[in-house]
Amino acid sequence: SQQGEEDPQALSIQEGENATMNCSYKTSINNLQWYRQNSGRGLVHLILIRSNEREKHSGRLRVTLDTSKKSSSLLITASRAADTASYFCATDDGAQKLVFGQGTRLTINP
Amino acid sequence: DAGVIQSPRHEVTEMGQEVTLRCKPISGHNSLFWYRQTMMRGLELLIYFNNNVPIDDSGMPEDRFSAKMPNASFSTLKIQPSEPRDSAVYFCASSLGALLEQFFGPGTRLTVL
Repeated sequence: SQQGEEDPQALSIQEGENATMNCSYKTSINNLQWYRQNSGRGLVHLILIRSNEREKHSGRLRVTLDTSKKSSSLLITASRAADTASYFCATDDGAQKLVFGQGTRLTINP
Repeated sequence: DAGVIQSPRHEVTEMGQEVTLRCKPISGHNSLFWYRQTMMRGLELLIYFNNNVPIDDSGMPEDRFSAKMPNASFSTLKIQPSEPRDSAVYFCASSLGALLEQFFGPGTRLTVL
């Protein structure tokens, strides 16, 4: 099974609402990263949070990390139509490489 | 910087043909990754290089797949012979370190008929 697994698989909200996506992982990590993928494009890095950090912000994005629960969440505040995309978490698997989850498909309805 | 460059962007070929995908990483990056993405299997790491040396090729599906990185600015992924189940989007990514932020190319959409 995946090292990182996102939840939910799909999320549909109204523009202006907040969107929360979660990621769970199995083994100890050095860092956890979130990426966005627009349809037909490559992944774009959003945030990297290290294992000794608990929260990180970037614009409308807020990432939290709970190493005791082996989970992370990505919050997008005041969502916009342009936020429609798939969001992936990535963690290292102890073998010095990143493993990506299956992603959350986020749809922002106007 | 132009970012990670991949070519071709689209490739349509017939079963049994050889396919070569190309990637130019961002200058100065020492780690390069090849991924395959499909609806069924999601994003899979095929192989990654560090300082032009293959470090982990455990994701390469079978001997029909091979990858090379002859220098720091160029890598190829070759499929010979190709099969319909190889149809996917293949991404190349590069980074300053294996666990750091990865920069993805636009991908090559491969269709094997």
